Amino acid sequence: ETGVTQTPRHLVMGMTNKKSLKCEQHLGHNAMYWYKQSAKKPLELMFVYNFKEQTENNSVPSRFSPECPNSSHLFLHLHTLQPEDSALYLCASSQEIAGGPDTQYFGPGTRLTVL
Amino acid sequence: GQNIDQPTEMTATEGAIVQINCTYQTSGFNGLFWYQQHAGEAPTFLSYNVLDGLEEKGRFSSFLSRSKGYSYLLLKELQMKDSASYLCAVKDSNYQLIWGAGTKLIIKP
Repeated sequence: ETGVTQTPRHLVMGMTNKKSLKCEQHLGHNAMYWYKQSAKKPLELMFVYNFKEQTENNSVPSRFSPECPNSSHLFLHLHTLQPEDSALYLCASSQEIAGGPDTQYFGPGTRLTVL
Repeated sequence: GQNIDQPTEMTATEGAIVQINCTYQTSGFNGLFWYQQHAGEAPTFLSYNVLDGLEEKGRFSSFLSRSKGYSYLLLKELQMKDSASYLCAVKDSNYQLIWGAGTKLIIKP
């Protein structure tokens, strides 16, 4: 248990569906992250929120839409996804975005399959 | 561009020592992290280096040479539970982590 939870753990959806991934952290952190992890590829940073403000959007397609209502919760809204979007989606949190050993703590991920 | 290189897979024997290397080229450097990720689980933090030299933490040690853009993770007295992927990541000038693809470590009895 890292103090970061994600739901659902597994999700299968069709290309026309709309779904949302949820992340919650119980660590009192101020920064939250969405990553995409595909097999044998580096973690891809998708979105970053620092004190509820989005600070990074690394050229992510608009079919992925993040929402951060408060420092403890982060959502990733999905619509009209493509089969190549199938991957493990990881949420992480850290104290804040800064230099030094600002360690990121990860949730267990949502395994997404797009049919 | 930014790049982190580490071997795709390594195999070692229980009780032995293994060294996992990581080389990096990034825009700026604000520290290097090693994470462990067991199959189907979250990555978990192992170590952080920002100054040159060796950091020891029990059976695990991590080394950094900033001039060479090089780090390694050293695992001693290997146990079967050490079978996992080991991820190297560098914090760049924007304080974002740039990740390697990970090294899958297989431990054999």
